Amino acid sequence: DAGITQSPRYKITETGRQVTLMCHQTWSHSYMFWYRQDLGHGLRLIYYSAAADITDKGEVPDGYVVSRSKTENFPLTLESATRSQTSVYFCASKAWTDAYEQYFGPGTRLTVT
Amino acid sequence: DQQVKQNSPSLSVQEGRISILNCDYTNSMFDYFLWYKKYPAEGPTFLISISSIKDKNEDGRFTVFLNKSAKHLSLHIVPSQPGDSAVYFCAASARQETSYDKVIFGPGTSLSVIP
Repeated sequence: DAGITQSPRYKITETGRQVTLMCHQTWSHSYMFWYRQDLGHGLRLIYYSAAADITDKGEVPDGYVVSRSKTENFPLTLESATRSQTSVYFCASKAWTDAYEQYFGPGTRLTVT
Repeated sequence: DQQVKQNSPSLSVQEGRISILNCDYTNSMFDYFLWYKKYPAEGPTFLISISSIKDKNEDGRFTVFLNKSAKHLSLHIVPSQPGDSAVYFCAASARQETSYDKVIFGPGTSLSVIP
């Protein structure tokens, strides 16, 4: 599929478990991002990556780990899930040349019980 | 403390009338502003943007106005259509010299256009 995809779309996990959310884009965009959306907070940046093997923290990185070994993939791992990480997670990408416009995936709704 | 605020969580408008969505920001270093639209179960999509060197940008039925002195921007939709019913996020960014220009999103306003 062309564009940006996320998997799974829905996930229920237990407190303390490790869970990985996948993000794949077919545009060869340099930048990729992970956001979480919570009521009253809008979209908050967790981590971003400017290129393969280059990642940096956003506003709310605690409890999350990212990697980017290939340009097209940017997985987000919750090493030990907590209830406060229940949220909708969006992956996005941006070309190096684009000023600010980002292209978002459809989201993953994660529930931590 | 939120740097980008959208004080109206929701807004209802009759079809054909004007929708006005408001956004306020606190960081005077912001120099680029965007609006994103989000339907349920989908990711946000870019709608329109404006640079701080302008005070208005228009794209079809959508117009964004920027008032830098008041640190306020607004999105006007004329005429409003039922398909415009969505959550609208205001976002802002400031040019960084040595790192990525992070985009800060507001909490969103849910617009309902009533047929």
